Amino acid sequence: DAKTTQPPSMDCAEGRAANLPCNHSTISGNEYVYWYRQIHSQGPQYIIHGLKNNETNEMASLIITEDRKSSTLILPHATLRDTAVYYCIVRALFNKFYFGSGTKLNVKP
Amino acid sequence: GAGVSQSPRYKVTKRGQDVALRCDPISGHVSLYWYRQALGQGPEFLTYFNYEAQQDKSGLPNDRFSAERPEGSISTLTIQRTEQRDSAMYRCASSLAATYEQYFGPGTRLTVT
Repeated sequence: DAKTTQPPSMDCAEGRAANLPCNHSTISGNEYVYWYRQIHSQGPQYIIHGLKNNETNEMASLIITEDRKSSTLILPHATLRDTAVYYCIVRALFNKFYFGSGTKLNVKP
Repeated sequence: GAGVSQSPRYKVTKRGQDVALRCDPISGHVSLYWYRQALGQGPEFLTYFNYEAQQDKSGLPNDRFSAERPEGSISTLTIQRTEQRDSAMYRCASSLAATYEQYFGPGTRLTVT
């Protein structure tokens, strides 16, 4: 599976949009982009995933570039409870997840 | 419904002892995954099952680690002759099928003294 590159940490003001970038320049055509987050010591929580098209659900939006070499997770109105480590994962179906180190998002009041 | 459960939540064992960690997936979930997570790092894949079949065990660090899911539901991760370097959080996840999102349990914190 393709590896991903994420900034180690980011800050965001409460109520503003949080835009978390992820580079996956070696992604293959059959690999999906997944985002999970981990709040404190809890288990990782699924957020969203996509293949080519942009995706939106009740938690976030996922924007994937046309060449699929990078993506951005958008939390439209960040709250203090969104403070967590966010993991960007690329994975072909039926393959294992490689979590990496993620981005620590600090939402500040 | 109930989420993924793991037991015990905490386990302290002496070096050289065997330990068995249990995972009870969400009812009806076909796929079950085991991960290990060191402090400050992301989860590291160990192995996964579809039903009772172990599909991928490439992440198991050595032959002291084994896992089974004999009836396609509950799974046990066994570590024989534990070593201090085995100390970590062990997490289990399940999904409806291999292509679906994974739901994680609370983990078992293993400490080897």
